Order: sequence, then C-alpha cells, then structure tokens
Amino acid sequence: AQSVTQLDSHVSVSEGTPVLLRCNYSSSYSPSLFWYVQHPNKGLQLLLKYTSAATLVKGINGFEAEFKKSETSFHLTKPSAHMSDAAEYFCVVSGSSNTGKLIFGQGTTLQVKP
Amino acid sequence: DAGITQSPRHKVTETGTPVTLRCHQTENHRYMYWYRQDPGHGLRLIHYSYGVKDTDKGEVSDGYSVSRSKTEDFLLTLESATSSQTSVYFCAISDSYTEAFFGQGTRLTVV
Repeated sequence: AQSVTQLDSHVSVSEGTPVLLRCNYSSSYSPSLFWYVQHPNKGLQLLLKYTSAATLVKGINGFEAEFKKSETSFHLTKPSAHMSDAAEYFCVVSGSSNTGKLIFGQGTTLQVKP
Repeated sequence: DAGITQSPRHKVTETGTPVTLRCHQTENHRYMYWYRQDPGHGLRLIHYSYGVKDTDKGEVSDGYSVSRSKTEDFLLTLESATSSQTSVYFCAISDSYTEAFFGQGTRLTVV
C-alpha cells in the first residue's frame, strides 16, 4: 500500500527566506510523486511531478523537489519566499499503476510574513 | 486549464435528503475521482472510476455511491445526507496513472 506523510502541518517563513516543506512516502513499488498547491477558496494546481526520470524536479513559480529513494522523501523547496506563496501544499503519491489513484498527505499550510 | 466542471458549486441541504453532485469533463480522460477535503485530513478519496460503468471504492466510501454512464460525467450521490458529510468535494480527472486535474470544488453543507 502507498501512503504519504507531510511532517509539518504549518510552516511560517519571512518573505525572501528559503522554504522547505517536508514529505515522506511509503510505496511498495517505484512511485510517482507530486506536489499540489491550493490557494484559499481555490482548486488544486500541480506544482511539479516526479515520474522516475531526473531525481531533482523543477516546477512552477521557482519551486523544486528532490526525490531521495534511500530516505523515502520528496521535500519541496524554494530559495526565496514570496507573499503570493502563502497557501496550502499537498504531497501526493500515485497509489496504483492501473487505477491512477492519488493518495494525499494531510497538507502543510505555508504562511509568509512580510 | 483542463475542462472540468462541477455542479453545483454550493449547496445547503437538510439531514436525510438525497444529494447528487455532478462532475463533467470535456477532456475525454479515462479516470475520474471524487475526493472530499476536510481540515487536517487533506483530500480523501471517496470513489473513483477507471472507465464507463467501472467504479471502485476509495478510503471513505460509506454513505456515498457513484455512477458513470458515459465518459464525460461522473455523479456522486449521498443517499441520505448527514452532518458528517458537510465538506468540500473535489472531482478530478486523469488520463494515466500520473497527474490529475481538479475541478473548482463543491461546498456542501448539511444542516
């Protein structure tokens, strides 16, 4: 079975400082991993995805994530936070190769202080 | 943006009444999903479909049923709504086992 754990429910950073949102996964086979972002009262938008190609994945808005199999981690980073980055972020693992089920973490709320 | 439309976008209903939410896609994607979002739980899968008339349960399927009679429509029915089903419901579509695209959500309140 697949599962995903987001290690922080809430992260607060100052504008211009680095962002780190942590995610660990469990999977019985080589997983596909994603980060989605949700701004208040909005739908979900794909930030980036890992599907067994390069382990360092670049996404939109300056975000990137590194797949580390030995650590079963897929942490999301950004060098410099902007106020517009304030949102909820979800780490997601593909649950099955033939059904396309996506298993979500509980989410991390990112607060960006001026 | 992927062509996904959820209807209604907002609904208030009384306990014990049936409710149907509709998800319509124009992308001809094979897979469709219904999730509910509640604070502290992320998104939890209710039901999903891997083809017309092919559906299966997710992790929180009790009290919900679904139907998919054609590729573009995936209906979620609450047979007898309860207050615990107050939530935001998201439909998603995908064409493979990779990324999914989400609708804008339906806010359902059961009073």
